[in-house]
Amino acid sequence: SQQGEEDPQALSIQEGENATMNCSYKTSINNLQWYRQNSGRGLVHLILIRSNEREKHSGRLRVTLDTSKKSSSLLITASRAADTASYFCATLNAGGTSYGKLTFGQGTILTVHP
Amino acid sequence: NAGVMQNPRHLVRRRGQEARLRCSPMKGHSHVYWYRQLPEEGLKFMVYLQKENIIDESGMPKERFSAEFPKEGPSILRIQQVVRGDSAAYFCASSTGARGNGYTFGSGTRLTVV
Repeated sequence: SQQGEEDPQALSIQEGENATMNCSYKTSINNLQWYRQNSGRGLVHLILIRSNEREKHSGRLRVTLDTSKKSSSLLITASRAADTASYFCATLNAGGTSYGKLTFGQGTILTVHP
Repeated sequence: NAGVMQNPRHLVRRRGQEARLRCSPMKGHSHVYWYRQLPEEGLKFMVYLQKENIIDESGMPKERFSAEFPKEGPSILRIQQVVRGDSAAYFCASSTGARGNGYTFGSGTRLTVV
């Protein structure tokens, strides 16, 4: 199985509600990043959290990292229809020959209904 | 600041032809990464390059695929004798190489093999 697995695979909510997506990984990491992808488009970097950080905020986004459980969560508060997209977590491993290589999860498809 | 530029956006090739995908990194970025995304899946790492050097090609198929990042000009991902299974979106990302920074992705090249 692969590093960086998100759940749920799909999430459908109403505008104004909060959306929470989870990500689990398997190896020691340098940092974990969240990306957003609109259908048929490229990825947009949302937020990066380092392995020595536990929580980070950016606007309506809140990311937590629990290295003991090898898991992270992305919370989008007060969701909007424009937040509809796929969300991916990606890990950068700590050291070794995998320097520079991001490992992506399968993604969570978020649908926000107006 | 034009971001990461990929071209073409869409590429259609017949089985057996060659596909050339180009990526110009962001200004100031000397590290380039290629990823492949199959439909409904996350991104899979292919290759990591710096100028004139391949750093990590562990995700690239041994046959028919090659990548370069010359001293001058864009990075090129080349797929020889394409097959239907090569149909995917190919994304390029660039970074400064500093591990604490997120990556900037291009909009991708969607390759369709007919």
